Parts: sequence; structure tokens; C-alpha cells
Amino acid sequence: DILMTQSPSSLSASVGDRVAITCRASQGISNYLAWYQQKPGKVPQLLIYAASTLQSGVPSRFSGSGSGTDFTLTISSLQPEDVATYYCQEYYRGTWTFGQGTKVELK
Amino acid sequence: EVQLVESGGGLVQPGGSLRLSCAASGFTFSNYGMSWVRQAPGKGLEWVASISTSGYNTYHSGSVKGQFTISRDNSKNTLHLQMDSLSAEDTALYHCAKDLSSGGWYSPFDHWGQGALVIVSS
Repeated sequence: DILMTQSPSSLSASVGDRVAITCRASQGISNYLAWYQQKPGKVPQLLIYAASTLQSGVPSRFSGSGSGTDFTLTISSLQPEDVATYYCQEYYRGTWTFGQGTKVELK
Repeated sequence: EVQLVESGGGLVQPGGSLRLSCAASGFTFSNYGMSWVRQAPGKGLEWVASISTSGYNTYHSGSVKGQFTISRDNSKNTLHLQMDSLSAEDTALYHCAKDLSSGGWYSPFDHWGQGALVIVSS
């Protein structure tokens, strides 16, 4: 199976900060990469798919970039409601592996 | 409105079996691939298995291959997960999830059920 590695595992930032989370695939996955947000006690919500396409209803402060093996999720201006754990997921050729997650907290 | 409702979870002894179901509504079930994702208490998301629209193609993660089997009944809008030879490591909340895109291509998940809790313990 493809291994997905996220960094950092956790981060603390202030309201208004720019936040970046990276995800690395163990092999090339083109742009078959999605990002999810999971708030405590809630189911995951799809934020971005195809590496950079914003899912309907997701605020424009979220953006994604990358292709091949290296990807980034960026929150341009962190808001209190963005406190959550974020997961990347590859969906390349019959596997749907998640990264281990990045917990985002407010400083 | 898309709804996914899991059932069949519970307490099972090590070595036992359990069959989860996911009742789908609010969309044309037979047009979408479906998946199971689990989350152990306090841990991250782990993809378990996926199935194509017709059920002909199934995919299982390496950690459950040969132990779990995904299936679907398009006449009843229902997804299943047969889990055998369960161990403590299988204790988790099991979510069913719907593909974002209809048709036959690989897709992320845009709707998730609330989950069925499986506890494996003696």
C-alpha cells in the first residue's frame, strides 16, 4: 500500500496566521489527493480533492497544491472554527490511504 | 439529503464475527462507489475497503485482506462489511462513506455516516 506521511503532527497558531500542512506520498499519485477536516466528535468533512479543487461550501481561505508525491494544505488566515484535525488521503488506483493527521490548535 | 446510517456494531469476543450494514438514501445508490473507514478510539482514520458501483470490483486494505469482505445490495440500497476473526486491534468506529463522483473512477468521499462502534473484548 501507499504510505502517506503528514507534517507536522500538530501545530499551534494564532487567529489570522497562515498555516501550512504538508503530505508526502511514498510513490507518485499524480493529483489523486484529498484533504479532510475532522472536528472533535464529528465525521470528517471533505475540503479539497484533486489536490487543489475546493469542495462546494468550503471557505476560500483553504487551498491545496502539489502533484506527484508532495502536497500542501494552506489556511490563509486561521479562524477559531478551523481548530480540528486535518487528514490527507490518496485515492490512486484502488487504495485510499490516509495520512496520520495533523492537529491544529489555537495559540 | 444524503443519509448513511450504519448498524450491526456491538461487543464481540476475540475470534468472533460481525456484519455491519449501511443504509443509504437521498441519492442513486447504484451510481456511486462506497467505502468503509474505521477510526480506533483516539486514533486517526484508516481506510478499510471500497466497492465499485456494481459490486464487481472490491478493494481491501492490506490490514484486513482475507479477514473482512465488503459487499453491496443495490436493490436494497445497502452496503455491508463482513468481519471475521476479529481481534482487539479491530476495535473502532466504522463509518461508511460515499464517493464524491459517480461512475467508475477512483474518488474521495463526500458523505460519511455517523458510524457503528465495534468493540472486540472478552
